[in-house]
Amino acid sequence: AQKITQTQPGMFVQEKEAVTLDCTYDTSDPSYGLFWYKQPSSGEMIFLIYQGSYDQQNATEGRYSLNFQKARKSANLVISASQLGDSAMYFCAMRERYSGGYQKVTFGTGTKLQVIP
Amino acid sequence: DGGITQSPKYLFRKEGQNVTLSCEQNLNHDAMYWYRQDPGQGLRLIYYSQIVNDFQKGDIAEGYSVSREKKESFPLTVTSAQKNPTAFYLCASSMGTGEKLFFGSGTQLSVL
Repeated sequence: AQKITQTQPGMFVQEKEAVTLDCTYDTSDPSYGLFWYKQPSSGEMIFLIYQGSYDQQNATEGRYSLNFQKARKSANLVISASQLGDSAMYFCAMRERYSGGYQKVTFGTGTKLQVIP
Repeated sequence: DGGITQSPKYLFRKEGQNVTLSCEQNLNHDAMYWYRQDPGQGLRLIYYSQIVNDFQKGDIAEGYSVSREKKESFPLTVTSAQKNPTAFYLCASSMGTGEKLFFGSGTQLSVL
């Protein structure tokens, strides 16, 4: 079973509009973390935002916010006021613990966002 | 400046050859990771390490090997047993396992 599911392979958004990128996850670890990363065409991975499973408030970082719905196991990324520079691949990722105290980070398959002028 | 350095940026492998991808970090991070990314795909975990001289297999470890002899270094060897090695390889580090990941700029490996 997929640990992280991103169901939107590609999305278009008009410049200055808001867009929501979907992410659902599956874990039995009660203490997990969720991340969003941006990957421009250059290939670098840029950290955007983090949400811990026990955080009461939705995380926000500038124009990025994470719509965290714990019961639905959903962690959607909302980008407000889209800019042309937001065109990139966006990956949702999850940190979870395994036996032996190890933790690892698993990524989804990504959503390609294209911002239209 | 602190960061993660991957080298080379591009690497070509001949059939039956082992190749080693370098990853060095000066962030004093304990944990290091190797991910593989195929075109249009997400990142898949190959190996990860929490501390020196310790590492764990990720989801697709077959055909790969690693070492962690120094905190700063986590080289990945793509062995001849890896039959489909062409991919973009990303190295990452974090203060502890599961914390925010800092990534290198990646190595594109291709087979001649």
